[in-house]
Amino acid sequence: TQLLEQSPQFLSIQEGENLTVYCNSSSVFSSLQWYRQEPGEGPVLLVTVVTGGEVKKLKRLTFQFGDARKDSSLHITAAQTGDTGLYLCAGVRYSSASKIIFGSGTRLSIRP
Amino acid sequence: SAVISQKPSRDICQRGTSLTIQCQVDSQVTMMFWYRQQPGQSLTLIATANQGSEATYESGFVIDKFPISRPNLTFSTLTVSNMSPEDSSIYLCSVEDRGLARGDTQYFGPGTRLTVL
Repeated sequence: TQLLEQSPQFLSIQEGENLTVYCNSSSVFSSLQWYRQEPGEGPVLLVTVVTGGEVKKLKRLTFQFGDARKDSSLHITAAQTGDTGLYLCAGVRYSSASKIIFGSGTRLSIRP
Repeated sequence: SAVISQKPSRDICQRGTSLTIQCQVDSQVTMMFWYRQQPGQSLTLIATANQGSEATYESGFVIDKFPISRPNLTFSTLTVSNMSPEDSSIYLCSVEDRGLARGDTQYFGPGTRLTVL
């Protein structure tokens, strides 16, 4: 059983459309990160959110941490082909400060 | 941020053999991590490697199968022993960055793609 469930698992949309990826858990996290991974490379950190209810924007990407610190979302506006990749959320639980738990992953494909 | 390199980048191995993967970091770090990732899927932590002590293994992973060395603060190796096709995967090392950013950020190497025939 995955502690951090992401949805959808796969998403293929047309360039220019908007999309939202969700990361949900029944556990509370002290912080949560979003990573993007391209083929042949390791995951690259996009953002870290720490405060419940926090919203961070990174150009066309908007990240939100749930009020209860159990869930997060990633919204992409006007998707571009360069957004294609595997998106991973990852959380650090209060009880295990040195261990990051990765979500199940969302594979995003943007069609030109 | 930390720059991490891994060797080899990929390998094809025969069943029953062993492969040692190297991970080099451009700065001294306390904690290094080894992950396994099936293509297109999420990451599973194998073990945490601290310099000067034995590695800490996660449930389902044992030292005999995945021995780890951590001789100094910039280097670690992971050996995949007595390989079978089920070991075919991407193996990633990462380091933890505390203090520069809020939360426990990890930086990853490019990964080693292993295929076992």
